[in-house]
Amino acid sequence: DAKTTQPTSMDCAEGRAANLPCNHSTISGNEYVYWYRQIHSQGPQYIIHGLKNNETNEMASLIITEDRKSSTLILPHATLRDTAVYYCIVRVAQRNYGQNFVFGPGTRLSVLP
Amino acid sequence: GAVVSQHPSRVICKSGTSVKIECRSLDFQATTMFWYRQFPKQSLMLMATSNEGSKATYEQGVEKDKFLINHASLTLSTLTVTSAHPEDSSFYICSAPLSGRTEAFFGQGTRLTVV
Repeated sequence: DAKTTQPTSMDCAEGRAANLPCNHSTISGNEYVYWYRQIHSQGPQYIIHGLKNNETNEMASLIITEDRKSSTLILPHATLRDTAVYYCIVRVAQRNYGQNFVFGPGTRLSVLP
Repeated sequence: GAVVSQHPSRVICKSGTSVKIECRSLDFQATTMFWYRQFPKQSLMLMATSNEGSKATYEQGVEKDKFLINHASLTLSTLTVTSAHPEDSSFYICSAPLSGRTEAFFGQGTRLTVV
């Protein structure tokens, strides 16, 4: 699976958009970009994933560059409850029985009042 | 949506005793479950892959005799930390993939403290 690079930490003001970048310059054509987050003392929570098109769901938007070498997770209106470590993971999508996810250090997002 | 439930969420045990952690898939069957360990201020590290009806697969450096995994049904995997020591104190997390979906679902984690 391709390696990802994320900033160690970021701050965001409450109510503003939080834009979390991820670099994955060695991504392969069949690898997806997944985002999870982990609130303190909880298990990781799935946020969103995509291949090459931009994706949006009730939690966030995922913007993937045309060359797929980087992506940005956007939380449109960050709240204090969005304070967490955000993990960007690149891997091949496997529908049957799955494969473990490999977690890097992630980005620690602090939403400030 | 799909939910993975872990029990207990927090446990304190004495050094030398054994502790069992349960991981259940609710409303779906999981032939495979994954067990992770997370030390303070570190990321999740895969310990082992639990396979229903067969032996678990352990990652390099993880002692299979110390971390016993049993996946006896399609909705339950258990991790038993045997003869626990203070250095086993950690946050243990399980996950299960949902057939037909590519994302995995994670339990809420179990914080083990060995005193």
